[in-house]
Amino acid sequence: AQKITQTQPGMFVQEKEAVTLDCTYDTSDQSYGLFWYKQPSSGEMIFLIYQGSYDEQNATEGRYSLNFQKARKSANLVISASQLGDSAMYFCAMRDLSSGSARQLTFGSGTQLTVLP
Amino acid sequence: GAVVSQHPSRVICKSGTSVKIECRSLDFQATTMFWYRQFPKQSLMLMATSNEGSKATYEQGVEKDKFLINHASLTLSTLTVTSAHPEDSSFYICSARGGGANYGYTFGSGTRLTVV
Repeated sequence: AQKITQTQPGMFVQEKEAVTLDCTYDTSDQSYGLFWYKQPSSGEMIFLIYQGSYDEQNATEGRYSLNFQKARKSANLVISASQLGDSAMYFCAMRDLSSGSARQLTFGSGTQLTVLP
Repeated sequence: GAVVSQHPSRVICKSGTSVKIECRSLDFQATTMFWYRQFPKQSLMLMATSNEGSKATYEQGVEKDKFLINHASLTLSTLTVTSAHPEDSSFYICSARGGGANYGYTFGSGTRLTVV
């Protein structure tokens, strides 16, 4: 069974500073995918970034980067130059890519990020 | 990009009535639909997985007769909460596989259900 752990229920960051949101995962599969989503108070799930287990380079998408350390099974999200609009709940998720799976996403418990002016 | 339209966004219903939530993929064929439930300040919990034309697979602890899922076409999946009770009040959100955007997962905007 797969498991995603986010140990930071809440985080605060000053506007324009960088922040790292932690995510560790547990899986016995060799092939998997890792996602980060942002969920504002409106409830929609906004896709931020993806990292495949075989990707050698860390994924980057604009101000978002994923610090992927496979041996440590961690996939931390780094947000650079935080903005007030970044205040939201952030979820780390994993996709099971093994054959026969329904390929559903398993989510962590989330981190509530608050950006301070 | 891939879009999933979820309706209604908010619904208030009386205890004992049924509520239907629709998720429609607008520009792609959704071969698989995942239905999640989310309580305030908590994570998304998978309720069931449905594939077009076949019966849904429910997660352990989810009542099949209470949460009816229909995936009759490649563009429409519905979740019906039957005989709703206040404890069914929650945020329900669907996620479709089949579109090429976002590495294959497109979420609806969610439905906030309140049972009074």
